[in-house]
Amino acid sequence: GNSVTQMEGPVTLSEEAFLTINCTYTATGYPSLFWYVQYPGEGLQLLLKATKADDKGSNKGFEATYRKETTSFHLEKGSVQVSDSAVYFCALSDLTGGFKTIFGAGTRLFVKA
Amino acid sequence: GAGVSQSPSNKVTEKGKDVELRCDPISGHTALYWYRQRLGQGLEFLIYFQGNSAPDKSGLPSDRFSAERTGESVSTLTIQRTQQEDSAVYLCASSFSRQGGYTFGSGTRLTVV
Repeated sequence: GNSVTQMEGPVTLSEEAFLTINCTYTATGYPSLFWYVQYPGEGLQLLLKATKADDKGSNKGFEATYRKETTSFHLEKGSVQVSDSAVYFCALSDLTGGFKTIFGAGTRLFVKA
Repeated sequence: GAGVSQSPSNKVTEKGKDVELRCDPISGHTALYWYRQRLGQGLEFLIYFQGNSAPDKSGLPSDRFSAERTGESVSTLTIQRTQQEDSAVYLCASSFSRQGGYTFGSGTRLTVV
């Protein structure tokens, strides 16, 4: 079945550091891939998405590229801010999974001033 | 409405009681999903409604859990004879396109004592 694996947290960085959160997936079809973010005390929000191989999703300085050859969708940001502290979830959905979205376990990011 | 609305936001119930959680999706969103998020963990898929199709109930953990949706509007998730392990945040999400991202509600935090 479909699954998503993302790096365990927490990840602690200083402000302006480079961020990578790794995500790999297993899917029998051709999934769409997503990153969601959950800020403290808030609900999940869609951060970015990519629907086919080699697509790059981007939003708020974050980006992720759909790599079919490595089945990966790593999240990157060149310079993190304290306000980026949150839990980040990698997710996929595809036809063979009935389009329900499967989420990774989440990676908590702490950014220190 | 402007967003996905869930009620109540918090619910404390005694073990063995039944609870009903409500989700009001964004108008026009044909797809509606319920997820469960235990403390510090990822999202666990429960059930998915798409238009008038039969719902995908594959994630419901036991027959104590059930959900209904009337057309493309409100959904209710019912948990009968609640147990302590049912304590979690129950999240509802809706989407216009099955391949798009979801819009999540703020969740209902259920505590079974």
